[in-house]
Amino acid sequence: GAVVSQHPSWVICKSGTSVKIECRSLDFQATTMFWYRQFPKQSLMLMATSNEGSKATYEQGVEKDKFLINHASLTLSTLTVTSAHPEDSSFYICSASTGGNEQYFGPGTRLTVT
Amino acid sequence: AQSVTQLGSHVSVSEGALVLLRCNYSSSVPPYLFWYVQYPNQGLQLLLKYTSAATLVKGINGFEAEFKKSETSFHLTKPSAHMSDAAEYFCAVSNGGYNKLIFGAGTRLAVHP
Repeated sequence: GAVVSQHPSWVICKSGTSVKIECRSLDFQATTMFWYRQFPKQSLMLMATSNEGSKATYEQGVEKDKFLINHASLTLSTLTVTSAHPEDSSFYICSASTGGNEQYFGPGTRLTVT
Repeated sequence: AQSVTQLGSHVSVSEGALVLLRCNYSSSVPPYLFWYVQYPNQGLQLLLKYTSAATLVKGINGFEAEFKKSETSFHLTKPSAHMSDAAEYFCAVSNGGYNKLIFGAGTRLAVHP
């Protein structure tokens, strides 16, 4: 139980285009979802926290107009990287929580912007 | 503010040897502490967590960690390393529940024959 999926697992896009990454909780309802970014050989940095039906709360320094987060249902959150540039290339990981004391992590999405 | 410091970005041990990965935290409130493991190009898997109950916490794959308030530490240990333990390990802290996790920089564990 408590499985979180991400789609796609790997994506390459051209500079200036937008990319959408999906995060789904497959067997539970996630009241809260988190989006993290991880650069090579570095730790995870929290980008934003989203609650179903509410606007996401972004961490300081994260551009909310560039990283659009939508948490439309209890099982789906999406991260859209708008007008992507090479510096946005990274590993993006989501996690989901039922509000209790556990976060379940997705397998990650590797974004490469050329 | 909360923070986590993992001492040693790389740790190398022989198969069968003791594994010790160090984590020190800073928190103004009673912390919740976690250890996660990450294999290449994968997400994170929870190894164990401390949530103010027993100070010695046992996790999966033979790992355990001890919460020491006086030392503000939560070191991860395993008596005997296995080749499959080679991975990146992250210590994390939150101020209760899972509303926000603060991760350490990570420790890459290498296990050699």
